[in-house]
Amino acid sequence: QKEVEQDPGPLSVPEGAIVSLNCTYSNSAFQYFMWYRQYSRKGPELLMYTYSSGNKEDGRFTAQVDKSSKYISLFIRDSQPSDSATYLCAMSLPGNQFYFGTGTSLTVIP
Amino acid sequence: EAGVAQSPRYKIIEKRQSVAFWCNPISGHATLYWYQQILGQGPKLLIQFQNNGVVDDSQLPKDRFSAERLKGVDSTLKIQPAKLEDSAVYLCASGTSGQETQYFGPGTRLLVL
Repeated sequence: QKEVEQDPGPLSVPEGAIVSLNCTYSNSAFQYFMWYRQYSRKGPELLMYTYSSGNKEDGRFTAQVDKSSKYISLFIRDSQPSDSATYLCAMSLPGNQFYFGTGTSLTVIP
Repeated sequence: EAGVAQSPRYKIIEKRQSVAFWCNPISGHATLYWYQQILGQGPKLLIQFQNNGVVDDSQLPKDRFSAERLKGVDSTLKIQPAKLEDSAVYLCASGTSGQETQYFGPGTRLLVL
């Protein structure tokens, strides 16, 4: 079993839709949870990171962590064509050891 | 603040040749990572440095891959000899101790023929 599981998609939505991206994990020792956005032929770009269970909001983006279910989500409201990218979830153990999901490819259609 | 710099951006070599990648992290970042990202997959950690010491190289194929970080700043990753399955994007990232985030460079896209 992989440490981090992420549905690779692809996911295609119309502009303005609410997008939900999800990851599950198996290691209860993970402490920090991150979402990265990766455009084609670019390096991953940190979108959000959170430590505790609950929600964290930043503009159109909301990150949700449920440690009891070992499940994290990223919600994108009012999705835009510029949001078209691959979204990677990542988690870290103490000592800055990072584990990544495989990424979900998102296309927002104008 | 300048980001993580990597070079070259693209490299095409034949199998059994050698290749080297260079990374310059964000100024002041003590932690440096090299990842391998195969098309359609998430980044896989190859090696993690803390200053110029190795923290984790458990997934580095040491028979062909080597990495160093002299003086705790720049780093190079070398593959010798390359195999077809080494075709991937090699990402460098850096971060600060105690900060549970990392910042990525643009990557080096390697194609082994």
